[in-house]
Amino acid sequence: KAGVTQTPRYLIKTRGQQVTLSCSPISGHRSVSWYQQTPGQGLQFLFEYFSETQRNKGNFPGRFSGRQFSNSRSEMNVSTLELGDSALYLCASSLGTSGSDEQFFGPGTRLTVL
Amino acid sequence: ILNVEQSPQSLHVQEGDSTNFTCSFPSSNFYALHWYRWKTAKSPEALFVMTLNGDEKKKGRISATLNTKEGYSYLYIKGSQPEDSATYLCAFDNAGNMLTFGGGTRLMVKP
Repeated sequence: KAGVTQTPRYLIKTRGQQVTLSCSPISGHRSVSWYQQTPGQGLQFLFEYFSETQRNKGNFPGRFSGRQFSNSRSEMNVSTLELGDSALYLCASSLGTSGSDEQFFGPGTRLTVL
Repeated sequence: ILNVEQSPQSLHVQEGDSTNFTCSFPSSNFYALHWYRWKTAKSPEALFVMTLNGDEKKKGRISATLNTKEGYSYLYIKGSQPEDSATYLCAFDNAGNMLTFGGGTRLMVKP
């Protein structure tokens, strides 16, 4: 079974621009979670989508948003990019029916903001 | 803000050594505790999901225990191999699918 895929893998943007990242979950998984990895803060939870609805949200500003489509694919958008948004963005998929479901991570998108 | 702490931050061991690390988390509103292994240039790989106080899980040479009442989990690796070199992350779930990660323990196994 195919794993979680993320596109693009690498991205370079400038301050003030906006960016959209995409995540395709494992077939049959209905939950997609997004995380930001930075050297200083480690892995931080952004939000989780289940059946096209945001179910959980982390402590990030409103510039970070997401959505999920009917096929469970998810996109994450960051508007008005700041230098501090440079990070590795990981998504993870799971069945989503139980809080103890194993989460399967994608390879990540490395975003650099200049 | 939930406090999930891992110790030590890094560890160097010789091939064949056994080792263990600690994850401490809030003892209230516990839902699940996840352990992940993250190798360089790879995606984090789930090792265990633990939900019950007293849980012990094992996968090959790696095992984990859970104490939800005092808020800690131990990860053990028996007979470390160079391929075990990775960052080991624990993640506390208090709301169902909303993980708070610790800072990780970076393990380096020398041949």
